[in-house]
Amino acid sequence: QQQVKQSPQSLIVQKGGISIINCAYENTAFDYFPWYQQFPGKGPALLIAIRPDVSEKKEGRFTISFNKSAKQFSLHIMDSQPGDSATYFCAASLSNYQLIWGAGTKLIIKP
Amino acid sequence: NAGVTQTPKFQVLKTGQSMTLQCAQDMNHEYMSWYRQDPGMGLRLIHYSVGAGITDQGEVPNGYNVSRSTTEDFPLRLLSAAPSQTSVYFCASSYDGRQPQHFGDGTRLSIL
Repeated sequence: QQQVKQSPQSLIVQKGGISIINCAYENTAFDYFPWYQQFPGKGPALLIAIRPDVSEKKEGRFTISFNKSAKQFSLHIMDSQPGDSATYFCAASLSNYQLIWGAGTKLIIKP
Repeated sequence: NAGVTQTPKFQVLKTGQSMTLQCAQDMNHEYMSWYRQDPGMGLRLIHYSVGAGITDQGEVPNGYNVSRSTTEDFPLRLLSAAPSQTSVYFCASSYDGRQPQHFGDGTRLSIL
């Protein structure tokens, strides 16, 4: 029940296309859902986050869609660029400071 | 503007050796945490601290110790290294403790 399941494991998208990464969870006590971006040799960096009382949040080319009834949330990257090539992690947070992480998606944007 | 600094960046140990991974932050964050990252598994929380003198266990604490004597520093100690502890270790800090926002660049640890 503590798991966050992320898919796909890897994703190749043409430059200018839309990248979509999905996550699902079981524990309804999760109340904060961040996405992190990680480049090789670096630590993850917070990209965008959402709370379950909001169905969508947009920041520039990045959008989180949240479906509370289905217990699913997704990251959409519009107009994907080669600089977006990285590993993306979804996560879910409990009020006890613990983040539960998805397994990650390696995104490659082809020029 | 150092942020979160981890040392060393790379380390090779023999089974049974002990060592301390260092983590320091200069943002005056109360919350600090240690994660390990293994291929295909995302990040797993080892230990965390909500302030100087206060630490708690995360998801995978066995084989690791922490202490928090100052706001700035949060070292992670491997007591007796085992090959299963081969991993990349990340330290993170946060202003509000709700979620880690600032990560170091990691320590890549190999145990033979």
